[in-house]
Amino acid sequence: DQQVKQNSPSLSVQEGRISILNCDYTNSMFDYFLWYKKYPAEGPTFLISISSIKDKNEDGRFTVFLNKSAKHLSLHIVPSQPGDSAVYFCAASAGGTSYGKLTFGQGTILTVHP
Amino acid sequence: DAGITQSPRHKVTETGTPVTLRCHQTENHRYMYWYRQDPGHGLRLIHYSYGVKDTDKGEVSDGYSVSRSKTEDFLLTLESATSSQTSVYFCAITERQGAGGYTFGSGTRLTVV
Repeated sequence: DQQVKQNSPSLSVQEGRISILNCDYTNSMFDYFLWYKKYPAEGPTFLISISSIKDKNEDGRFTVFLNKSAKHLSLHIVPSQPGDSAVYFCAASAGGTSYGKLTFGQGTILTVHP
Repeated sequence: DAGITQSPRHKVTETGTPVTLRCHQTENHRYMYWYRQDPGHGLRLIHYSYGVKDTDKGEVSDGYSVSRSKTEDFLLTLESATSSQTSVYFCAITERQGAGGYTFGSGTRLTVV
């Protein structure tokens, strides 16, 4: 049972354009969401997060949007750069006894072409 | 990654043998996690620790055990390795859950033949 889903295995974007990565979740107990970026042969690195009390969070070129009613979040990268080419994972955590334990999506491979 | 190291980076082992992976941190963070990454599944939580000698199971804990006798070390043991445990294993640390990102190690690529 995949509680966090990234339905697009890959995305290809031209340098300077916007990249939009999507993530859907099914567990209504999730209240904290994160995006990680991963290069080959390295561990994931934290990009940006959002709490369920917000619907948007920005950090430089990265913006995360949360639509709780649709159980959907997205990561916008503007403008996209070739160095952004990596695998992007969304992750979620819930309160209670699940607090702090992350559930990850399958990942989306982003390729930014010069 | 600064402050967190995993060893070994690569290992090939035979089916049925025990294997121990080590995660070492210098950040003095309370919480430590072991994940495995497999194609089509993303990262899945194996076990986690919320303090010395305090550990609990994640979603894919069968066939794995952990120990944390010191704050800085979190060991993952495959009691009798199977081919289904061929994977990339990541350790992660955080001081405060839910406060932000978790710091991941560089991973251990384990192949069980």
